[in-house]
Amino acid sequence: EPEVTQTPSHQVTQMGQEVILRCVPISNHLYFYWYRQILGQKVEFLVSFYNNEISEKSEIFDDQFSVERPDGSNFTLKIRSTKLEDSAMYFCASRTPRLTGELFFGEGSRLTVL
Amino acid sequence: AQSVTQLDSQVPVFEEAPVELRCNYSSSVSVYLFWYVQYPNQGLQLLLKYLSGSTLVKGINGFEAEFNKSQTSFHLRKPSVHISDTAEYFCAVIFITSGTYKYIFGTGTRLKVLA
Repeated sequence: EPEVTQTPSHQVTQMGQEVILRCVPISNHLYFYWYRQILGQKVEFLVSFYNNEISEKSEIFDDQFSVERPDGSNFTLKIRSTKLEDSAMYFCASRTPRLTGELFFGEGSRLTVL
Repeated sequence: AQSVTQLDSQVPVFEEAPVELRCNYSSSVSVYLFWYVQYPNQGLQLLLKYLSGSTLVKGINGFEAEFNKSQTSFHLRKPSVHISDTAEYFCAVIFITSGTYKYIFGTGTRLKVLA
């Protein structure tokens, strides 16, 4: 069964460092998303991406964040200068073009900022 | 503003007892409804979804949910829970208005099944 894969599964970084989280969405999906879940809290929307551009972003997704689809398969989330409060689980998701398409989630990347 | 409310942050229940996890959403525009489950240290997995048709939908692991348009609710139920059902459950709603598509999650309900 096709699945969304994310790397790394866990990354520990120092405050102020740049981090790139990688995702390989399901191959025939065209919409891509990043969500964040701070430990013990709800799943929060960060950004959606379609046709090589951001279609929507939340207030969390400030200038420190960027997304890119550098090739035909990867979808990356970059945090330019990490802060302690960026520590969270980051989930990538993708869906088909169908309006009713459910989101398929990856297993998540746990980011720990020290 | 559109929102999804899960009224219970935690639900403890004994094994083999029935459980209902509540989900309400804010608007009566066109919606599609989902329940996801998150087991400890794992990603989100789709349990079930309502797109159209019968308002009672059945999902994996013996869960079912009923769409109630008048009450704008989509409560999740299971007649007899197992220890392995201990997890976080998230209700999610796609709101469709004027051609826009917004996918919003509830805050989650932690189901703890006790022996």
